This record gives sequence, C-alpha cells and structure tokens, in this order.
Amino acid sequence: KAGVTQTPRYLIKTRGQQVTLSCSPISGHRSVSWYQQTPGQGLQFLFEYFSETQRNKGNFPGRFSGRQFSNSRSEMNVSTLELGDSALYLCASSFGTSGGFTDTQYFGPGTRLTVL
Amino acid sequence: AQSVTQLDSQVPVFEEAPVELRCNYSSSVSVYLFWYVQYPNQGLQLLLKYLSGSTLVKGINGFEAEFNKSQTSFHLRKPSVHISDTAEYFCAVSDTGGFKTIFGAGTRLFVKA
Repeated sequence: KAGVTQTPRYLIKTRGQQVTLSCSPISGHRSVSWYQQTPGQGLQFLFEYFSETQRNKGNFPGRFSGRQFSNSRSEMNVSTLELGDSALYLCASSFGTSGGFTDTQYFGPGTRLTVL
Repeated sequence: AQSVTQLDSQVPVFEEAPVELRCNYSSSVSVYLFWYVQYPNQGLQLLLKYLSGSTLVKGINGFEAEFNKSQTSFHLRKPSVHISDTAEYFCAVSDTGGFKTIFGAGTRLFVKA
C-alpha cells in the first residue's frame, strides 16, 4: 500500500510569511502526528490529530497550528515565519486506536522548509 | 515528564564488527520504547519497539534491543554491521497513556570498510 506522502518536499519562504504543509496518511490510518527536526533541537513533537481532533500537543508557540480533514489528511500551518523555523517537518501516521503509541507510526519523507 | 538521552552522538565502526548504541530514558510512569533509523534525505523507519513482555526485542535488519527497567536503558545492538547500516538512529519513548513521543538527539552510525 502507498506510504505517507508529504507535499511539498522543499519550500523556501521569507521571514514574516506563512506556510502550509500537507500530509496524506496511509489508507486506514486515522492518526497523524507532526514533528520538527533541526540539527540543534533534534526531533520535537508538534501535535497529533485523530479523527479531526487535536489529541495531543507539544511545546510550540501558537504560530504553529494544524488541522485534520475527514479523510484523515492533515495540514500544518506556520504563520509569521522566523529564521529558526527552518527545519525538516515530518509527519507520521498510525491507526491510533490502541491507546498510546502501541501501533506503529509510519513516517513520510518530510518537507524541508528554508526561511530566508 | 519524560526524557531520552542517547549517550553517543557518533559511533564509527568497521564493517562486520558488533555495535551497541546506548539509550537511557527517564519517566515517572510506564513507557513504551522505540528505535528508529533515518537514512539521508528520508523519513524515519521503525526498527523495533518494546511494549511489554520479554525484555529482549528483535527488530528488522538484524537489530535487537534490551529493556532494562532498573537501569532505565534500552540499548540497541547488532552483532555484525554492514556498510548499508550507516545512518542516524533515534531512541524514543512514549508514555502508555498518551500520544506524544519524545525522541533522543540521535546517534550517527558510520560503518567503515
């Protein structure tokens, strides 16, 4: 079956702009999680959505937001971009119904965002 | 709050030699533990996970890890590495009640011929 897809793969923006990233989970998966990966901070959890509801949230400012649609596809939005937002943004999908992360998360290839 | 410490940022090793990548965690509650691998320009792939039961967990590509509750460790091992194992390896923890995974800083494994 098709894996997790993320679009676009690469993105260049300037400070102050906003950006929307998209993630299509594996068919049948209802949970989508987003992570930010940077050389300095490593992999950090942004938020997780399940059945169109944000179920858990990391420690990021309100400029980072997300949503999930009825087909489980998810978008992440970052407003008022800062230089420090340059990162690889990964999304992961899972069935999400067994309680906790007992079911396997499958990661997409990521979107590399560069803020100039 | 949980945290994960990967004790080595880089591990160079010769091909066919054994390797151990170390991971320690802290948590006040029961946890699930994971090892992921990331190849250049790719997302993460699950190697193995510990949920409960046997403390020795076998994963893909010949990797295994041992959960040690008293030492709060979950070290990853492979008896004989290949050039193709060169990648970054991440240890991760999630609590058994929530849906948030905390990752370690990663260990870059470099296998030399």
